[in-house]
Amino acid sequence: GEEVAQTPKHLVRGEGQKAKLYCAPIKGHSYVFWYQQVLKNEFKFLISFQNENVFDETGMPKERFSAKCLPNSPCSLEIQATKLEDSAVYFCASSQRDRGSDTQYFGPGTRLTVL
Amino acid sequence: DQQVKQNSPSLSVQEGRISILNCDYTNSMFDYFLWYKKYPAEGPTFLISISSIKDKNEDGRFTVFLNKSAKHLSLHIVPSQPGDSAVYFCAGTQGGSEKLVFGKGTKLTVNP
Repeated sequence: GEEVAQTPKHLVRGEGQKAKLYCAPIKGHSYVFWYQQVLKNEFKFLISFQNENVFDETGMPKERFSAKCLPNSPCSLEIQATKLEDSAVYFCASSQRDRGSDTQYFGPGTRLTVL
Repeated sequence: DQQVKQNSPSLSVQEGRISILNCDYTNSMFDYFLWYKKYPAEGPTFLISISSIKDKNEDGRFTVFLNKSAKHLSLHIVPSQPGDSAVYFCAGTQGGSEKLVFGKGTKLTVNP
């Protein structure tokens, strides 16, 4: 597609439950990025993929968070045993990474609320 | 350790005038800088970028200036329009990682 698609738009989980978020990048884009926006304007990088391979996972919490990008499937971000502090908007972005271009295009986000 | 700083949380300008949004960075390894605009309940929208080897890039009403020696960049919007009212984020990226490092944003309000 021409836009990054994210589902669901909203997700509510009780503390300790699992949450799974999905992202379909723009067709032809080979890089996918996940960001977490916790406080009102603070973006935190989580993980990136080059096709189905992890490219940079330096922002991923060591426990409870995992992500995948498999061929012919939306990418996913999974949080096991959610905690209150996981409440945030999770954005996915994709890029083509043509030589000299770093533009990432963002999806509308998934708002996760942990109660 | 905040690598990208936007020191003005908000800015208010009159329609038709110039808006200038500022951004400072500390990481001299950044090789691209980008500006994004964000409306509430939407994802950030790419506006304009600049390579670290340039000092200016222009696209319509938007111009980004980069001063590498001062580690400072600015976004100029001329003329400002009410539809430009949004939160503007500055971001830097470094080859090899490609992740965006964002500032905390500046909320621009353009008054009719």
